Amino acid sequence: GAGVSQSPSNKVTEKGKDVELRCDPISGHTALYWYRQSLGQGLEFLIYFQGNSAPDKSGLPSDRFSAERTGGSVSTLTIQRTQQEDSAVYLCASSYELADHTGELFFGEGSRLTVL
Amino acid sequence: AQTVTQSQPEMSVQEAETVTLSCTYDTSESDYYLFWYKQPPSRQMILVIRQEAYKQQNATENRFSVNFQKAAKSFSLKISDSQLGDAAMYFCAYRSARNAGNMLTFGGGTRLMVKP
Repeated sequence: GAGVSQSPSNKVTEKGKDVELRCDPISGHTALYWYRQSLGQGLEFLIYFQGNSAPDKSGLPSDRFSAERTGGSVSTLTIQRTQQEDSAVYLCASSYELADHTGELFFGEGSRLTVL
Repeated sequence: AQTVTQSQPEMSVQEAETVTLSCTYDTSESDYYLFWYKQPPSRQMILVIRQEAYKQQNATENRFSVNFQKAAKSFSLKISDSQLGDAAMYFCAYRSARNAGNMLTFGGGTRLMVKP
């Protein structure tokens, strides 16, 4: 597609349920990022995928969070046994990584998760 | 680890006037990129302007310009002739140039309000 697409746009769930958030990056972009933005806060890095390399999971806040990227394209962020503190907007971004690339990330509109 | 600080949670400007948003960062690296992103209510982050640390000349994009002070580790954004559409959250971000895989580190954001 023309831009980064995320779904669902909004998700309300009950505490303890699992949720899946989807990101479809810009075609041809090899790098994909997940960020979390809590209410009124900046962006917190969660995980990064680059091509076929092992993902950088250093930002995942707990083992309840996981992500995969199938076929080097679509990514799914899964949160198990959701807690109220997981409520946030989850932003996905992609970029076309080159050795001399200046690092612009293209963002989707995010998925707003509300855990009741 | 790099940190990015935006000391102004909120700023206000009169339409057609000029406003400057502050950003400081902490790094031990000499080669990196700095960015200003805009986040309107739609939540999608949009790149406003980019600066390569090795360039002494300040970046300019139409009404947007930066004052990059490498020694002081300061990277402020000036918006001239402010328009109602400029109202948004603005995030300063840092990215290392050491390798192509590094993610962006964001500041906490500044909410800009534009008064008609």
